[in-house]
Amino acid sequence: DAGVIQSPRHEVTEMGQEVTLRCKLISGHNSLFWYRQTMMRGLELLIYFNNNVPIDDSGMPEDRFSAKMPNASFSTLKIQPSEPRDSAVYFCASRQGGYTFGSGTRLTVV
Amino acid sequence: SQKIEQNSEALNIQEGKTATLTCNYTNYSPAYLQWYRQDPGRGPVFLLLIRENEKEKRKERLKVTFDTTLKQSLFHITASQPADSATYLCALDISGGYNKLIFGAGTRLAVHP
Repeated sequence: DAGVIQSPRHEVTEMGQEVTLRCKLISGHNSLFWYRQTMMRGLELLIYFNNNVPIDDSGMPEDRFSAKMPNASFSTLKIQPSEPRDSAVYFCASRQGGYTFGSGTRLTVV
Repeated sequence: SQKIEQNSEALNIQEGKTATLTCNYTNYSPAYLQWYRQDPGRGPVFLLLIRENEKEKRKERLKVTFDTTLKQSLFHITASQPADSATYLCALDISGGYNKLIFGAGTRLAVHP
């Protein structure tokens, strides 16, 4: 997963606060994906981009979630305001044949 | 409804045996199917991709089959080792070109010495 770097690795925040998760691609790829993983629902696709353009955001749970990809090597996922049910591990991935996943951001909203 | 099913029960096998994991899907016609390995605290790692016109694919001790009639893929690890212990996820591309990949819940494999 050296090609996809996520930050922070862990985030603990209070309910109602804004959270921004970051994803950096080491080499430019034309596709970027945000997933969320929980024990109950497994890996869920939230949104994906092709050539920096959002293609499908039907997995974004609510308007509180937004994602941007300002250039070919960087993306953010923002939750505002955050809620305890948003607690999960959030993964960013890019596609090179198979998908390359980052190590994830473990978000805890208390 | 559309869904992907993997064995929810953990699979426990003895070292040296062949592990076989199952992935069934309904109401999809995927262009390809992929298998991933996930270790605790890590992101999924890509293992193999098999296309709809391929019956079988191999990579070292791994073998994947894809039966589009049965809507099923089997994932085999031969000569299993304790280091193969992990959760294995299958994933389908359901967008036919835009790479919209959805995942099964995964099967946990434990290989005992």
